[in-house]
Amino acid sequence: KQEVTQIPAALSVPEGENLVLNCSFTDSAIYNLQWFRQDPGKGLTSLLLIQSSQREQTSGRLNASLDKSSGRSTLYIAASQPGDSATYLCAVETNAGKSTFGDGTTLTVKP
Amino acid sequence: DVKVTQSSRYLVKRTGEKVFLECVQDMDHENMFWYRQDPGLGLRLIYFSYDVKMKEKGDIPEGYSVSREKKERFSLILESASTNQTSMYLCASSFAQNSGANVLTFGAGSRLTVL
Repeated sequence: KQEVTQIPAALSVPEGENLVLNCSFTDSAIYNLQWFRQDPGKGLTSLLLIQSSQREQTSGRLNASLDKSSGRSTLYIAASQPGDSATYLCAVETNAGKSTFGDGTTLTVKP
Repeated sequence: DVKVTQSSRYLVKRTGEKVFLECVQDMDHENMFWYRQDPGLGLRLIYFSYDVKMKEKGDIPEGYSVSREKKERFSLILESASTNQTSMYLCASSFAQNSGANVLTFGAGSRLTVL
């Protein structure tokens, strides 16, 4: 059974710092890995999707990498801003559309 | 630009009531999903559907049923609501291509409280 772990559970940084969020998964037979952002009481917003054949994806200040063989992904956020404060979740699609989610990392960026 | 719409953001129901949570997507997605999200337990899959009238159980289907009569609509039904079904319910949809490019798109969530 696929298991997805995100460490740390919470992270607090001063504004302007670059930071890395981690995601690990136990079964490397994945279709893709997706990073999401969730604001309190809201739904999930897709940030980046990395297909299993890809190594990384970039969108603005965000860069996500995937190392399928080691079962790891990182989300790099450059020049963090208070508006980046949210919970970040990763999910791996392993079986015809079904995804397994990590518990998320709650990020606080202090002004 | 709304893509996945959940009909109710907040609901308060009484124990034993029948509850319907509706989800509509306008992206012509084949796959639709219902998750619940609880503190400390993360997102857990309740049911999903690959096509109209098709449904499969997820990890926690007990106490729930679903209906998909039209491609764009996926309903979650709580036949007899219980207090342990108080939760945030999230609907999602995606294409069904086996390419790994299926972006999972979520609705805004429905916060259900059962008294």
